[in-house]
Amino acid sequence: NAGVMQNPRHLVRRRGQEARLRCSPMKGHSHVYWYRQLPEEGLKFMVYLQKENIIDESGMPKERFSAEFPKEGPSILRIQQVVRGDSAAYFCASSTTGETQYFGPGTRLLVL
Amino acid sequence: KQEVTQIPAALSVPEGENLVLNCSFTDSAIYNLQWFRQDPGKGLTSLLLIQSSQREQTSGRLNASLDKSSGRSTLYIAASQPGDSATYLCAVSAFGNEKLTFGTGTRLTIIP
Repeated sequence: NAGVMQNPRHLVRRRGQEARLRCSPMKGHSHVYWYRQLPEEGLKFMVYLQKENIIDESGMPKERFSAEFPKEGPSILRIQQVVRGDSAAYFCASSTTGETQYFGPGTRLLVL
Repeated sequence: KQEVTQIPAALSVPEGENLVLNCSFTDSAIYNLQWFRQDPGKGLTSLLLIQSSQREQTSGRLNASLDKSSGRSTLYIAASQPGDSATYLCAVSAFGNEKLTFGTGTRLTIIP
């Protein structure tokens, strides 16, 4: 039973480009969460999704960031027109309702 | 707004000693509390989850306690080993809102 998978593990983008981060939840999990860990800071919640629905996006920046979890395929976190301040580790987690959240290995985004 | 604090930020302990890590939270209306470990450059590994109705959970050499009324949790590690060296994070979720609010972690170093 594979764990939460994220790809790519490392992503380098130049300012102004788009970044797409993918997350495949554990088998049987229908809840997906995205968190961001800025350098030398703690993890901050970004968005919580269930299949085809955004449940809570209170932690998402208002501009340039979007997330989806389609009926088929992985969840996608999309960052448009990246800036240097977007450089961080982005973690995805999955769970069943109210239970342990299992985290993926993260995607480390570096914006040049 | 929930705030989670972990003190100390860093801790060094000789191998073989027992130790306690602390976590406090400002809003006692939590749904559950999780303890994680994070190794440098890696994702999070879930260690223990305590539901709000529980007082403690045990897994091997780890024991986590929860005192909701005082807003505190402790993670007890028995007979520490060098492999326990990592950053330990606690996180809480609220009823009706499954996002996790994280503390900033305690960086633990076990000295051989």
